[in-house]
Amino acid sequence: DGGITQSPKYLFRKEGQNVTLSCEQNLNHDAMYWYRQDPGQGLRLIYYSQIVNDFQKGDIAEGYSVSREKKESFPLTVTSAQKNPTAFYLCASSAGGPGGTDTQYFGPGTRLTVL
Amino acid sequence: KQEVTQIPAALSVPEGENLVLNCSFTDSAIYNLQWFRQDPGKGLTSLLLIQSSQREQTSGRLNASLDKSSGRSTLYIAASQPGDSATYLCAVTGFQKLVFGTGTRLLVSP
Repeated sequence: DGGITQSPKYLFRKEGQNVTLSCEQNLNHDAMYWYRQDPGQGLRLIYYSQIVNDFQKGDIAEGYSVSREKKESFPLTVTSAQKNPTAFYLCASSAGGPGGTDTQYFGPGTRLTVL
Repeated sequence: KQEVTQIPAALSVPEGENLVLNCSFTDSAIYNLQWFRQDPGKGLTSLLLIQSSQREQTSGRLNASLDKSSGRSTLYIAASQPGDSATYLCAVTGFQKLVFGTGTRLLVSP
């Protein structure tokens, strides 16, 4: 089956720890994205990547880091610098870039809770 | 800065009713507009994508319209079913990114 997988589904972190969220896609898409969703708010863009070894900051990149070493993978690290990391994190991919005409396909999400 | 607003925030209807969800955006310079569905605790599923040059798109019981000049889109759901219960999000694609509304939470009761 083609699609986007995210792991883990639930993640608990102690304050001061870095954690990495996994996102993998087998759709052969060039562009990948990370969003954060908080209750009562729309999705906000954290980082996006249009091509391997390149990525751009979104609206709320502070406290997060990403890498894009392979086309299929776009892991997100939530660092201890992120002051309010508890949220639902969604990964997406699209054939074209974010300013293009292609729809974005979303993974099932990871719910991160800071204890 | 693009802002996307969805009204109402929540909607409850009996099964079988036709309903309309609204989405408005402040900057008409968009490439396309998308409607997504999100079930509780799940990711988003794309329902319809309307290119900026199009006026509407249809898929089954769903019809989405786009009026770029007035900054509005509507999602029409015909003959609603309990399985339609979910949060519906609209998003506009501008330069370099997708901007989402906060969603309309729909409950269709049997």
